[in-house]
Amino acid sequence: GENVEQHPSTLSVQEGDSAVIKCTYSDSASNYFPWYKQELGKGPQLIIDIRSNVGEKKDQRIAVTLNKTAKHFSLHITETQPEDSAVYFCAASLDTGRRALTFGSGTRLQVQP
Amino acid sequence: NAGVTQTPKFRILKIGQSMTLQCTQDMNHNYMYWYRQDPGMGLKLIYYSVGAGITDKGEVPNGYNVSRSTTEDFPLRLELAAPSQTSVYFCASNRGSYNEQFFGPGTRLTVL
Repeated sequence: GENVEQHPSTLSVQEGDSAVIKCTYSDSASNYFPWYKQELGKGPQLIIDIRSNVGEKKDQRIAVTLNKTAKHFSLHITETQPEDSAVYFCAASLDTGRRALTFGSGTRLQVQP
Repeated sequence: NAGVTQTPKFRILKIGQSMTLQCTQDMNHNYMYWYRQDPGMGLKLIYYSVGAGITDKGEVPNGYNVSRSTTEDFPLRLELAAPSQTSVYFCASNRGSYNEQFFGPGTRLTVL
């Protein structure tokens, strides 16, 4: 089955700096890669996603890049703000059949004011 | 439009007790999922359903059971609770192809 590894497990940045979180996946058949933000006591919420036929996607301060050859994808947050502090999860799935997500272990991002 | 709702929010069980975690979605999604999240870990798939009457096991199904008699509801049953089932349980739903998976707020379960 799919295995997703995520690094780093914790990340502390100064407000206004950029943050980068990296993930690798094992199943070359996976073709959908979402990123979720989880605030304390809440369920994960989708912040951005990318399909395997796209190399990069951007939404305001958030961008995701995908390298299918290396089976690697990354989340980039620019101009970080204190409200970006949360746990971020990457995930991978095959968009057929059950369409279930395999999650990374999470990155706790702390943005220092 | 409430999205995905879960009850209860918190529950403490004694070893050997049973309970049902409720999950309801009002988005008419065919796909529904149960995940568990252990401290400091990502979510792991327990069971899933691709439509009413169709369910199947995920990666960690032991000790759990599900049913899907309607599109809206996907309850998770714990039989003979064990301390290893202490976790936060999330229900999620998905409309289908390349679509966002929506999560409920979670149920925090402690088995003592």
